[in-house]
Amino acid sequence: GNSVTQMEGPVTLSEEAFLTINCTYTATGYPSLFWYVQYPGEGLQLLLKATKADDKGSNKGFEATYRKETTSFHLEKGSVQVSDSAVYFCALSGDTNAGKSTFGDGTTLTVKP
Amino acid sequence: EPEVTQTPSHQVTQMGQEVILRCVPISNHLYFYWYRQILGQKVEFLVSFYNNEISEKSEIFDDQFSVERPDGSNFTLKIRSTKLEDSAMYFCASSEVRTSGGEQFFGPGTRLTVL
Repeated sequence: GNSVTQMEGPVTLSEEAFLTINCTYTATGYPSLFWYVQYPGEGLQLLLKATKADDKGSNKGFEATYRKETTSFHLEKGSVQVSDSAVYFCALSGDTNAGKSTFGDGTTLTVKP
Repeated sequence: EPEVTQTPSHQVTQMGQEVILRCVPISNHLYFYWYRQILGQKVEFLVSFYNNEISEKSEIFDDQFSVERPDGSNFTLKIRSTKLEDSAMYFCASSEVRTSGGEQFFGPGTRLTVL
């Protein structure tokens, strides 16, 4: 079945540091890939997505590129802010399973001033 | 901007009691989902629903769970006899299309606490 593996957390960075959160996946067919963010006490918000190989999703300074050859969708941001502190989930939606999303374990990011 | 809403935001119940979690999906969406997140763990798929029937369900979605779209706007998850291990955040989601590129919009969640 489909699966998503995220780098283990938590991750603690200083403000303006560079962020990478690794995500790899296993899926049949041609999945779409997503990054969701969950701020403390809140629900899931879509951060960015990519629907086919080599697509780059971007939003709020975050980027991730759909790499089919390495089955990866790593999240990056050049300069993090304290307000980026949250839990980040990598997810995929396959094209053969009723559209459900499969999530990674989540990575907790803490940005210190 | 349209959004998925869920009520209540927090539900506390006694073990063995029935609970109904309510969701109002985005109005033109056709596909509906429930997910569960036990505290500190990953988000897990429970069930998908389309055209008034279940499309797919996970192993978690046993006979204690049921879903219903009782009218044109609500989508409910019922847990017939709650157990301690049902304590979790429950997220409803909806999407306009089922294909993999279709974005799922998530509600804010209902935190269920079973005592």
